[in-house]
Amino acid sequence: DAGVTQSPTHLIKTRGQQVTLRCSPKSGHDTVSWYQQALGQGPQFIFQYYEEEERQRGNFPDRFSGHQFPNYSSELNVNALLLGDSALYLCASSLWAPGITNEKLFFGSGTQLSVL
Amino acid sequence: AQKITQTQPGMFVQEKEAVTLDCTYDTSDQSYGLFWYKQPSSGEMIFLIYQGSYDEQNATEGRYSLNFQKARKSANLVISASQLGDSAMYFCAMRNFYRGSTLGRLYFGRGTQLTVWP
Repeated sequence: DAGVTQSPTHLIKTRGQQVTLRCSPKSGHDTVSWYQQALGQGPQFIFQYYEEEERQRGNFPDRFSGHQFPNYSSELNVNALLLGDSALYLCASSLWAPGITNEKLFFGSGTQLSVL
Repeated sequence: AQKITQTQPGMFVQEKEAVTLDCTYDTSDQSYGLFWYKQPSSGEMIFLIYQGSYDEQNATEGRYSLNFQKARKSANLVISASQLGDSAMYFCAMRNFYRGSTLGRLYFGRGTQLTVWP
């Protein structure tokens, strides 16, 4: 049973460029969330997708956008990259479960993005 | 607004000893969940333990237990019989429940780096 897979594992871009990160959720999961983890910090919530729609969004600018596909996989797009966008980007998947509160998130190993 | 505070940037423990990692939280919600995750150098966040705000018993998962003190808004992680493989970054996180479901986001603390020495 494959867990959450993310690609690529590492990426180097220059300021102003655009980047796309990809995530395949754990088998059976239908919800994907993206987090940004700067060096020495805890992960910060970017947004969450369920049923191909953005359901919640954290305090990130519109340069950060995403998409969820019918097979539940997801992409994170970042436009006009800034040096401060350098971070580990983590994808997490879960199963939407109304009335269930202890469903845990499964995380991928992340994509390390470096912006030069 | 939800906030998680982990005041210990680093902790050291000898192998086979127990260690407590501190976590306090702030929320105005009555219903919430508290999580602990382990992040080794590989980067993946590994789920350790969960405590619901209405759970009366402290959660336990093998060598991990959560010391939940709701009135004090603390959710400390206790690792018993530490092992060398426990060396990692540990994050406390809180989830709010979006529309009564598990769609809620996680709020993470800044983490505690645990080092287990022989």
